[in-house]
Amino acid sequence: DGGITQSPKYLFRKEGQNVTLSCEQNLNHDAMYWYRQDPGQGLRLIYYSQIVNDFQKGDIAEGYSVSREKKESFPLTVTSAQKNPTAFYLCASSIDDRNQPQHFGDGTRLSIL
Amino acid sequence: RKEVEQDPGPFNVPEGATVAFNCTYSNSASQSFFWYRQDCRKEPKLLMSVYSSGNEDGRFTAQLNRASQYISLLIRDSKLSDSATYLCVVNPYTGRRALTFGSGTRLQVQP
Repeated sequence: DGGITQSPKYLFRKEGQNVTLSCEQNLNHDAMYWYRQDPGQGLRLIYYSQIVNDFQKGDIAEGYSVSREKKESFPLTVTSAQKNPTAFYLCASSIDDRNQPQHFGDGTRLSIL
Repeated sequence: RKEVEQDPGPFNVPEGATVAFNCTYSNSASQSFFWYRQDCRKEPKLLMSVYSSGNEDGRFTAQLNRASQYISLLIRDSKLSDSATYLCVVNPYTGRRALTFGSGTRLQVQP
């Protein structure tokens, strides 16, 4: 089945540690996105990528990094510089067309140990 | 002013009721609009796109009012399973090629 796979489902980070969240899609979508959602809040855009080897900062990029070496993969690293990483992280993809909706993976919950 | 604004609710309605949500957007150049549904602790899922002429999908009707810059979602004959948060999503057509999500309106359908 076509879709977006995020892993792991749950992740715990120690102080000072970098962790990487995986996002893979087999929808042949050009565009991919990372969002953060805090309890009771809306989605905030961290990074997005319209094409391989290119990505742009969203509204809250500080403390995060991404890469887009392959069309189907867009991993997100939460660095130690992100002091409040506990949140629900959602990856999405879309056809690179401004009029197309985004489709989401089922998310990764990150907590601090 | 936020790019996309929604009443957070919650809207508490009995089964079988009709309920409507509005969402306002700030950029008059916005071209595409969507409603998503998000269940508690789950990912958002596309409910429906919103077309200029309005569109219907079963019990759900979406409308766009460009003059007043709002979109609406009407749910008829509410079911318990409609309980969720409904996210209004807009493509603001700024330099950033990404959708903007509202914070959502929570609906609780009660037996």
